Amino acid sequence: EVQLVESGGGLGQPGRSLRLSCVASGFRFDDFAMYWVRQAPGKGLDWVAGISWDSDDIGYADSVRGRFTISRDNAKNSVYLQMNNLRVEDTALYYCAKGLRHYYYYHVDVWGKGTTVTVSS
Amino acid sequence: EIVLTQSPGTVSLSPGETVTLSCRASQSVRDTYLAWYQQKPGQTPRVLIYDASRRATGIPDRFSGSGSGTDFTLSISRLEPEDFAVYYCQQYGTSPLTFGGGTKVEIK
Repeated sequence: EVQLVESGGGLGQPGRSLRLSCVASGFRFDDFAMYWVRQAPGKGLDWVAGISWDSDDIGYADSVRGRFTISRDNAKNSVYLQMNNLRVEDTALYYCAKGLRHYYYYHVDVWGKGTTVTVSS
Repeated sequence: EIVLTQSPGTVSLSPGETVTLSCRASQSVRDTYLAWYQQKPGQTPRVLIYDASRRATGIPDRFSGSGSGTDFTLSISRLEPEDFAVYYCQQYGTSPLTFGGGTKVEIK
């Protein structure tokens, strides 16, 4: 069974950092692009970042570029989101998501259940 | 970045009716790299349509997508009770990838 399990969410203060992790199972991890997508309470989906299978191609939403860093470790079947200089507006449920192909210009076909990030002083 | 505008924001319908949802892009979507997702309360999204018109695995044929360039539509015919949900479009042809704001299809 294909599974994505996120961790690392919690309460963070404005200006501080959090690191999200996602462990994948049930598929050949190094064959697929991975993404982080967030959803603020009661709001819509917001694409945050994406990374190709080999980490050569990486992209960020304008709202997080320069503050967030996506990375992956194919040996550990894991993708990460380093979130620095947190803002209140980063409060959301963060989904780890799998792309349909190895390059990141593709849609999501599998979603994790998400980890909640709350930014508040 | 490409901004996707979905309309209407909310539509109220009865089971058995047909609905067409719109997704308009602020610039042309490369190679019709546009997907539609369905999200029900408390659930993760699931892809319905990708490449503008290809149905994802297991999606019934009452869901259909069309469009190119900047204008795309998702049609749902013969609405079933389980189809009442929020629908999002996403373009994945240009970085950053972006989602539309969503259309809620509610029971009348």
